[in-house]
Formats: sequence, C-alpha cells, structure tokens
Amino acid sequence: ETGVTQSPTHLIKTRGQQVTLRCSSQSGHNTVSWYQQALGQGPQFIFQYYREEENGRGNFPPRFSGLQFPNYSSELNVNALELDDSALYLCASSTPASGIRAGELFFGEGSRLTVL
Amino acid sequence: KQEVTQIPAALSVPEGENLVLNCSFTDSAIYNLQWFRQDPGKGLTSLLLIQSSQREQTSGRLNASLDKSSGRSTLYIAASQPGDSATYLCAVSGSQGNLIFGKGTKLSVKP
Repeated sequence: ETGVTQSPTHLIKTRGQQVTLRCSSQSGHNTVSWYQQALGQGPQFIFQYYREEENGRGNFPPRFSGLQFPNYSSELNVNALELDDSALYLCASSTPASGIRAGELFFGEGSRLTVL
Repeated sequence: KQEVTQIPAALSVPEGENLVLNCSFTDSAIYNLQWFRQDPGKGLTSLLLIQSSQREQTSGRLNASLDKSSGRSTLYIAASQPGDSATYLCAVSGSQGNLIFGKGTKLSVKP
C-alpha cells in the first residue's frame, strides 16, 4: 500500500512569486486536506477536498487555493508569496468513513517552503 | 473556538522510564482524537486514534486515554527508548472534518 507522497520536498521562492505543491493520497482515500506548520507550532488547517470540491476551509486568505483531481491527488497553490508563508506544508488523506478507524488522517513528509 | 493545549512543552527522561504526555481541549464535542509523532523536519506519523465513544487505545508500548467530559487525553509510553525521541502532537477533530492540533511535547530519551 502506497502512503501519502508530496513533492517537491524543499523549495525556495522570493516574495511575490507563486508556488504549487503536489500530493498523492493514500490508496483508497478520497479526502485530502492541507496543513501549514510554522516552526515550533502545531499544524494549522488550510482546506479540505472531497470528490474534487473544497468542503472545508481554515482561516487562510484566498491566495491559498487548491485542486483535487479524479484520481484523488491534489495541489496547493499559493499566490503573491509573503515571508510568513515560509513553513512546512503537509498533505493528509483520510480513510473512508466506516469502521473503528474512520476519520484517521495519514500525512505525507511535507514540502518545506522558504520565502526570501 | 476549540483550543488544544499540550503539557509539558518539553520533557527529558532516562531510558527505561515510563512517562505520560498530557493533552487538553476546550470543547468536548469532538468526533475523535489522534496522537501523532513527528521527527525533526519530517511529516506526521499516526500513533493512535480514539473515537469519541472509546475510552482508550493501545498499540505496543503506547496507551492513549480519552475523557471527553473533562476535555483531557493522555499518552502513556512504557519503557521509553532513545528511538522514542521526537515531538508528540495531539489533535482533535473539528467541525469541518479537519484536525485541530496542540503545539506538541518534545520528548528526549537519554541512553
């Protein structure tokens, strides 16, 4: 069983640029969510996709946007990058909602974004 | 607004010691609670998931308990090993199916 994979693992951008991060969900998982983790903090929820539609969003501005594809993979796009966007971006996929482990999230290794 | 607090922020113990990590949350209306491990610069590894109807879950040397009414969970690690050194994160389910995380407890197990 293939786990959640993310790319790229590291990248450096300058303020004002745009970035796209990619995520392949775990086999059989139809829900993908994205989190931002600043240094020394817990992850913060950005948004969630189910069946190619956004169905939940945290307190992030519209310049954070996403897509989910028919194969359940996903992209996170951030426009007009700011210095504070420097963080580890984590993608998670969820088990189908059935059984005792329903709702368990499985995370990828993350994409480390540095904005200069 | 749900808030999750983890105490202590950091913990250093000698190898072989049993230890308890604490997590508290302000809103008891949760669907589940999940404990994760995070190694430096890495992603999150799921350790244990406790559904709201359950009181505890066990996996190997790990045992997690949940008391919804008091808004508390504990992660018990038995016979700690240097390989257990990592940051441990507690998260509760939010209203959108998302997770709300604490800031974590950084554990160091000394040989």
